[in-house]
Amino acid sequence: GQQLNQSPQSMFIQEGEDVSMNCTSSSIFNTWLWYKQDPGEGPVLLIALYKAGELTSNGRLTAQFGITRKDSFLNISASIPSDVGIYFCAGQLWSARQLTFGSGTQLTVLP
Amino acid sequence: DAGVIQSPRHEVTEMGQEVTLRCKPISGHDYLFWYRQTMMRGLELLIYFNNNVPIDDSGMPEDRFSAKMPNASFSTLKIQPSEPRDSAVYFCASSFDGEKLFFGSGTQLSVL
Repeated sequence: GQQLNQSPQSMFIQEGEDVSMNCTSSSIFNTWLWYKQDPGEGPVLLIALYKAGELTSNGRLTAQFGITRKDSFLNISASIPSDVGIYFCAGQLWSARQLTFGSGTQLTVLP
Repeated sequence: DAGVIQSPRHEVTEMGQEVTLRCKPISGHDYLFWYRQTMMRGLELLIYFNNNVPIDDSGMPEDRFSAKMPNASFSTLKIQPSEPRDSAVYFCASSFDGEKLFFGSGTQLSVL
């Protein structure tokens, strides 16, 4: 089945810095999504991408759907303390409703 | 909207006992998903329903696991008998399009 490799596994950054994380897949996806999970809560959808090459922003977050359809990137600009959490990428094929989730990136923002 | 509601938030039980997890999806969402999250395996899809019908249960680990959706506003995930390796956070999620999932807050299950 499909596998998603998400990196880095964890990041420690200073408040105000920019952050980048990415996901790569062994096969193509039609949709890429990025979720954030706060401690003790379920993941919350941040951004959804539907076309190869698409670049979408949501406030300080920007995500891109890779041209090959096998990867996606998430950038967070000017990080703040509330950005702390686990960020998951997820891919989906039109032929199936199941999302394949990456292993997550644990983000810590230091004051 | 109250979002996806799961109960209980925490469940501690002894090995061999029956465990029932409950989920109320967002009204109007036709898809319902059950996920399990562990440190070792991350988020795993167990089963999903469309219009109350189970579509794919290939992620259900064993016959000890069963899920039902008797109506559009309620689903259960049952483990009988429970084992320590079932300890995890179980999430229910609903969706109107099968892509954008809205997750509940999860049930933290500990099997002693």
